[in-house]
Amino acid sequence: NAGVTQTPKFRVLKTGQSMTLLCAQDMNHEYMYWYRQDPGMGLRLIHYSVGEGTTAKGEVPDGYNVSRLKKQNFLLGLESAAPSQTSVYFCASMSHRDNQPQHFGDGTRLSIL
Amino acid sequence: GNSVTQMEGPVTLSEEAFLTINCTYTATGYPSLFWYVQYPGEGLQLLLKATKADDKGSNKGFEATYRKETTSFHLEKGSVQVSDSAVYFCALSDVQTGANNLFFGTGTRLTVIP
Repeated sequence: NAGVTQTPKFRVLKTGQSMTLLCAQDMNHEYMYWYRQDPGMGLRLIHYSVGEGTTAKGEVPDGYNVSRLKKQNFLLGLESAAPSQTSVYFCASMSHRDNQPQHFGDGTRLSIL
Repeated sequence: GNSVTQMEGPVTLSEEAFLTINCTYTATGYPSLFWYVQYPGEGLQLLLKATKADDKGSNKGFEATYRKETTSFHLEKGSVQVSDSAVYFCALSDVQTGANNLFFGTGTRLTVIP
């Protein structure tokens, strides 16, 4: 099983450029999440989705947009990248059943110059 | 609000030493508690969980007990191995959002030397 797959794994952008990070899961999970991981700050939730066609803001949503057009995919977009968005981004998915764990992808390392 | 405070690292231990990583939490309701582990270059993996007070989660020799009276979920292992070197995250699940959002501590890096 592939589980949660993130693409790309690495990317370098210039300030002001745009890009989309793709997350795909093959476990038929209802919930999906995007986090960023920064040194000394753990993981912080950017946006999440409880089902196809629905999204919601997390703790640090500014500068990001998301879409969940298909149940298995959750896209994270940066419309105009800023150096403060340099981070490692993790996607996760989870079953809607009670007390289930989140399953994480391997991360996307994004550097913005 | 919800928050998790965990012991700052890094922690360096010799093989077969006893490990404790402290974790305390603040929550508005009755959260589930988790320990995740992150090996170099990988995503987070669930290590263990506990869903109610006095539950003990265990896996691969690691244990943690959900202590409501002290709002704690400390991670312990009796004898660490070199392969346990990783970053460990304590987290709580906020069931009130309806999406079981996770709130993470800052992570503790463990290095085990032979």
